[in-house]
Amino acid sequence: KQEVTQIPAALSVPEGENLVLNCSFTDSAIYNLQWFRQDPGKGLTSLLLIQSSQREQTSGRLNASLDKSSGRSTLYIAASQPGDSATYLCAVSLRDMRFGAGTRLTVKP
Amino acid sequence: GAVVSQHPSWVICKSGTSVKIECRSLDFQATTMFWYRQFPKQSLMLMATSNEGSKATYEQGVEKDKFLINHASLTLSTLTVTSAHPEDSSFYICSANTGSRGYTFGSGTRLTVV
Repeated sequence: KQEVTQIPAALSVPEGENLVLNCSFTDSAIYNLQWFRQDPGKGLTSLLLIQSSQREQTSGRLNASLDKSSGRSTLYIAASQPGDSATYLCAVSLRDMRFGAGTRLTVKP
Repeated sequence: GAVVSQHPSWVICKSGTSVKIECRSLDFQATTMFWYRQFPKQSLMLMATSNEGSKATYEQGVEKDKFLINHASLTLSTLTVTSAHPEDSSFYICSANTGSRGYTFGSGTRLTVV
């Protein structure tokens, strides 16, 4: 059974810092990996999608990498802003999608 | 594109009543939809996979008679929480696989059973 782990569980940084969120998964047989953002009490916003054949994807200040063989992905956020404060979820999919527990990020002004 | 519309966004019901949650794919056809539940400060847990025209597949520990799933068309899946109890209070969210664009999610339903 696929298990997804995210480290750290919570992170608090001052505005402007670059930061890295980590995700690991136990079964490398995945179709793709997706990073989401979830604001309190809200649904999910897709940030980046990495197909299993890809190594990384970039969108603005966000960069996600995927090392399928080692079962790892990282989400890099450059020049963090208070508006980036949210929970970031990593999810892997094959026949369905499995989520990590998330990293709760707080960016202090 | 690839939008999933979910409603209601929130609902309060009395214990023992049933609540129906709908998810519609607006601009694509979804032969399969997924239903998740999220308790406060926890991650999303897959409850069941909804298959158009056939029975849903439930994850271990999820009562199929309590969480009724119907996927009668290529654009609509419904989850009915039957005889709801306070412990069923949670955030329910559906998703569909759009293929090359990955999974897209509904906006979620906050269920409170009093």
